[in-house]
Amino acid sequence: DAKTTQPPSMDCAEGRAANLPCNHSTISGNEYVYWYRQIHSQGPQYIIHGLKNNETNEMASLIITEDRKSSTLILPHATLRDTAVYYCIVRKNSNTGKLIFGQGTTLQVKP
Amino acid sequence: GAGVSQSPSNKVTEKGKDVELRCDPISGHTALYWYRQRLGQGLEFLIYFQGNSAPDKSGLPSDRFSAERTGESVSTLTIQRTQQEDSAVYLCASSARGLAGGSYNEQFFGPGTRLTVL
Repeated sequence: DAKTTQPPSMDCAEGRAANLPCNHSTISGNEYVYWYRQIHSQGPQYIIHGLKNNETNEMASLIITEDRKSSTLILPHATLRDTAVYYCIVRKNSNTGKLIFGQGTTLQVKP
Repeated sequence: GAGVSQSPSNKVTEKGKDVELRCDPISGHTALYWYRQRLGQGLEFLIYFQGNSAPDKSGLPSDRFSAERTGESVSTLTIQRTQQEDSAVYLCASSARGLAGGSYNEQFFGPGTRLTVL
């Protein structure tokens, strides 16, 4: 599975959009981009995933560049409860299979 | 409905002792995963069970680590002769089997077991 690069930390003002970047320049055609987050002292939580089209759900939007070498997770109106470590993971789609977590981005939402 | 549960939530043990950690996956989920998270680090994959297939043990760090799963239900992770470097949060996750077309199935994580080896 392709490796990802994320900034170690970011700040965001409460109520503003949080834009979390991820670089995955070695992604291959059959690999998807997944985002999970981990709030302090909890297990990780799935957010969203995509292949090449932009995706949106009730939690976030995922913007994938046309060349698929990078993507951005957008939390449209960040709240204090969105403070967490956000993990960008690239892997082949399959019914099941392990997730390879990097160090992620620690997002601090400030009042 | 009920999520993934793990027990105990905290375990303190002495170096050299054996420990067993338990995971109850979401009912009906055929896949079960164990991960380890050391303080301040990301998650490390340990082992993965899928139905009756042979488990993927590629992440187990040493032969002191083993895991079993009874059918498609409870799993136990055993660490023998614990060492201080085994101190971590051990997380279990489960997911449903996907469609034949290969749709992704979200992994649902439990709250973890915090293991401290003195």
